Order: sequence, then structure tokens, then C-alpha cells
Amino acid sequence: AQSVTQLGSHVSVSEGALVLLRCNYSSSVPPYLFWYVQYPNQGLQLLLKYTSAATLVKGINGFEAEFKKSETSFHLTKPSAHMSDAAEYFCAVTPSGATNKLIFGTGTLLAVQP
Amino acid sequence: EPEVTQTPSHQVTQMGQEVILRCVPISNHLYFYWYRQILGQKVEFLVSFYNNEISEKSEIFDDQFSVERPDGSNFTLKIRSTKLEDSAMYFCASGRDSGNYEQFFGPGTRLTVL
Repeated sequence: AQSVTQLGSHVSVSEGALVLLRCNYSSSVPPYLFWYVQYPNQGLQLLLKYTSAATLVKGINGFEAEFKKSETSFHLTKPSAHMSDAAEYFCAVTPSGATNKLIFGTGTLLAVQP
Repeated sequence: EPEVTQTPSHQVTQMGQEVILRCVPISNHLYFYWYRQILGQKVEFLVSFYNNEISEKSEIFDDQFSVERPDGSNFTLKIRSTKLEDSAMYFCASGRDSGNYEQFFGPGTRLTVL
């Protein structure tokens, strides 16, 4: 069965520091992978998606993620954190071709310190 | 920018009562979804809906749940007889097509069953 694991339920960085949020997936077929962000009292917003094209995916707000098949990882990074990046981040997977449903990780709450 | 809307934002009900959660998907989208997130847990897929029928449902989506697209704009989730464990945040999502795989989420309805 497909699943994603997000290491670290809480991550705290200083403003201007590198953001690294980890996601590992488990899938028997090449997956489609997503990162969503949820700001307080809002819905889930798509940051970026990997759908078997380029392994380095650029998203909105300066975020990017790299698909590494050998490591079954899809970590989210941003070179320089901004206060407005404070939110909860969800990694999700859907097996290509079989279904559209998203299988989510448990989320990582990112805090940005001034 | 078009967005998915959900009403109400918060619903409180007594155990055993019926509730209907409402969603207005993005107007040119064809695929519709419900997910839920119990407090402190991951976002879970409930059901997907396409061409006026359920295309996939999870084991959570038992006979107490039903979905409907009663007109050209609304997409509803009905819980016939609510249980305490139905308390959760319920998210509606819509997508333009299956190949795109991008799902746009609403802000959620927080359901509290007493």
C-alpha cells in the first residue's frame, strides 16, 4: 500500500535560514508526489507536484523539491525562510494511473523565528 | 481567482443526528472529493465523485455516508446518524481532470459531534 512518512512533526528555523522538510514515500509503482501547505484557518494549497517529468520540481513561494527514487524521498526545501512561511506542510502521494485519491503524511508544522 | 468554498465553517450536532456538509467546487472542474482530518491525525481520503457517481471510496465511507451533486454547483456530504468519532475537519476538493492530478481544497468544515 502507498504511504508517505514525514519526519519531524515540528520544525523551527530562523528567518533567512534554510528550510528542509522531509518526506519519504512507499509505493509499488512510480508515484505522483505533492506538497501542500495549510495556513491557519485555511484549506490546503498546492505548493508543487512531481508527475514523472523533471526530478527537481519548483513550486510557489520559492519552494522546491527533488524526487530521489534511490532514497524514496521527496524533501521540500527553501533557501531562505520568511516569516510568512510559518504553516503546516503536508506531503502526499497518489499512485500514477490507478486512482486520484491523495494519501497524506501526518504533516510538519513549520515555525519561523525572527 | 476561483476557489472551492464550504459551508458551514463549523457545525455542532448531537450524536445520532443527520448533518449535511456543503461544498461549491470550482465551476469547470469535473472531479470532486471529500477528505477528513481528525484532530491530531493525518488527512484521510473519503470519496471521489465523477460523472454523477462515486468513482472510489475508502473503508471509512460506510453506509452512514453519502454524497450528492444536487445541481450544477453544489457537492454535498451527508452523514445520516453521526457518531462521536465523526468529529473532524472535513475538506472538499475538486479537480479539472484526472490526468492533471491537481486537487484544489476548500477551507474545511469543522464538525463537532456531542
